[in-house]
Amino acid sequence: NAGVTQTPKFQVLKTGQSMTLQCAQDMNHEYMSWYRQDPGMGLRLIHYSVGAGITDQGEVPNGYNVSRSTTEDFPLRLLSAAPSQTSVYFCASSYSGQHPEAFFGQGTRLTVV
Amino acid sequence: GQSLEQPSEVTAVEGAIVQINCTYQTSGFYGLSWYQQHDGGAPTFLSYNALDGLEETGRFSSFLSRSDSYGYLLLQELQMKDSASYFCAVMGGAGKSTFGDGTTLTVKP
Repeated sequence: NAGVTQTPKFQVLKTGQSMTLQCAQDMNHEYMSWYRQDPGMGLRLIHYSVGAGITDQGEVPNGYNVSRSTTEDFPLRLLSAAPSQTSVYFCASSYSGQHPEAFFGQGTRLTVV
Repeated sequence: GQSLEQPSEVTAVEGAIVQINCTYQTSGFYGLSWYQQHDGGAPTFLSYNALDGLEETGRFSSFLSRSDSYGYLLLQELQMKDSASYFCAVMGGAGKSTFGDGTTLTVKP
């Protein structure tokens, strides 16, 4: 049972480039979310999804897009990378929006130069 | 919106008991969660309180007082491997969670 898998683990982008961070879960969870974590800080919610075809914005959505075409996958797209998006990105899933236990992927460490 | 406050650092010795407090201000509240994160790793779920009182899971316990907008995580019989960051998180509407900035626990021999 792989849980939540994120790829890539590390990425360096130039300012203005776009890319997609991949997230997949094999637990048949309805709820998936993306967070960013800056040094010494907690996790801030970027976007979330309560099921396939349904997404919504979190606390810090600007500069990011998401889609949820399947239950398993929840990719995060950076439209035009900026140095302020240098961070560690975590994808998480839980059984439902009302279920408190979230399972996190190992993170993607993104540097924008 | 939501805001949470927790101490930035706590230090304790092996075998001791430590309490990490969390106060919150929120416009919608379903419960308070606690997560552990080792340096460079993924957060892992520890406990959740939806109602007032104490929840016990092995060496870890979590407490909630909804009237005081306050909770704490209690770690007993501290071990070196407990050195990590601990985050409280408020679960609000639509399953959205807001995290505190974390408390770094250092366990010394």
